[in-house]
Amino acid sequence: GQQLNQSPQSMFIQEGEDVSMNCTSSSIFNTWLWYKQDPGEGPVLLIALYKAGELTSNGRLTAQFGITRKDSFLNISASIPSDVGIYFCAGQLGETSGSRLTFGEGTQLTVNP
Amino acid sequence: GAVVSQHPSRVICKSGTSVKIECRSLDFQATTMFWYRQFPKKSLMLMATSNEGSKATYEQGVEKDKFLINHASLTLSTLTVTSAHPEDSSFYICSASGVRGAYEQYFGPGTRLTVT
Repeated sequence: GQQLNQSPQSMFIQEGEDVSMNCTSSSIFNTWLWYKQDPGEGPVLLIALYKAGELTSNGRLTAQFGITRKDSFLNISASIPSDVGIYFCAGQLGETSGSRLTFGEGTQLTVNP
Repeated sequence: GAVVSQHPSRVICKSGTSVKIECRSLDFQATTMFWYRQFPKKSLMLMATSNEGSKATYEQGVEKDKFLINHASLTLSTLTVTSAHPEDSSFYICSASGVRGAYEQYFGPGTRLTVT
């Protein structure tokens, strides 16, 4: 089946620094999604990408859908303490509401004030 | 928009009893709902997919008689863990899809189940 490799597994940064994380897949996806999960909570959708090559921003977050459709990255600029959490990428092959997600293993982000 | 709730947020039950977890889409009609299980420091593992009025589709290795899923309406799905055992203790998260015809999944806040 499809697998997603997400890196890095964890990051420890200083407040104000920029962060970059990425996901690669052995096969293509038609949609890439980035979620953030706080401890004891469900994942929250940050950015959804629908077209190869698409670059989308949401505040300090920027994500891109790789042109090969097998990768995506997420950048966070000027990190703040509330950025702490686990970030998951997810790929979706189908384009219907019943399409399952394939998740990466997550990137644990720690921001030191 | 796209708010999903779960109830209860935490539950402790004795071994051998059954527990029901509710998942509701509060401001949209969810064509499809998904149930996930998450172990500590791990990613989300899909258990089953359900469409309103249809039987759920379970992932390989998930016992359908143990994890009963009912999707009676476009805003409510329930997961019942039957005859729970300590190894069923986990964080269960639902998601809903179908907002304005789109297909992104929006997640509930999760339910922490502890079986003693």
